[in-house]
Amino acid sequence: DAKTTQPTSMDCAEGRAANLPCNHSTISGNEYVYWYRQIHSQGPQYIIHGLKNNETNEMASLIITEDRKSSTLILPHATLRDTAVYYCIVRAFGGSGTYKYIFGTGTRLKVLA
Amino acid sequence: DVKVTQSSRYLVKRTGEKVFLECVQDMDHENMFWYRQDPGLGLRLIYFSYDVKMKEKGDIPEGYSVSREKKERFSLILESASTNQTSMYLCASTGGAWEQYFGPGTRLTVT
Repeated sequence: DAKTTQPTSMDCAEGRAANLPCNHSTISGNEYVYWYRQIHSQGPQYIIHGLKNNETNEMASLIITEDRKSSTLILPHATLRDTAVYYCIVRAFGGSGTYKYIFGTGTRLKVLA
Repeated sequence: DVKVTQSSRYLVKRTGEKVFLECVQDMDHENMFWYRQDPGLGLRLIYFSYDVKMKEKGDIPEGYSVSREKKERFSLILESASTNQTSMYLCASTGGAWEQYFGPGTRLTVT
């Protein structure tokens, strides 16, 4: 199963772009990269996912390198409410055609006023 | 909106007790998951289920069992609670689409 590696913590100034890196060097060709975040005392919340191409939605952008061994989540204009733990995950196959998510320890992002 | 609910936000149990954690989702999802979350260890998958009465072990199933008698409900059972099972327990569901929907979590303390 592919595992991910993320920095333990990062700071970002409010209004600036937050770039959160993730390494997933053992990812398989058919495994997707997902990003979730967890604000204190809540369950994780989905942000975005991708396979090969870069993706953008109303929350963030996801940049995946051509070799798919790493990716970067970009929050274009970070606000104080973006302070959270961000998880980079690959979706691995479980048994009987199912799949499971492998969470790492995440990056604690602190947005500074 | 998809809703995943968990039976308790906080629970205190004694060592050796049998503990049931209940999770209910209202979106007819096939797949349901149980995780535990501990400081410095992130989220770790305990069990998951891809259909009624079907279950599969995750990364740390020891000391736990699960039950899925109805599609909307997935129960985590601690047969004999121990202090090292003190943790935050998170339930999630997904219907084969991209996102997992998480419940608010149950903080279990075993004394």
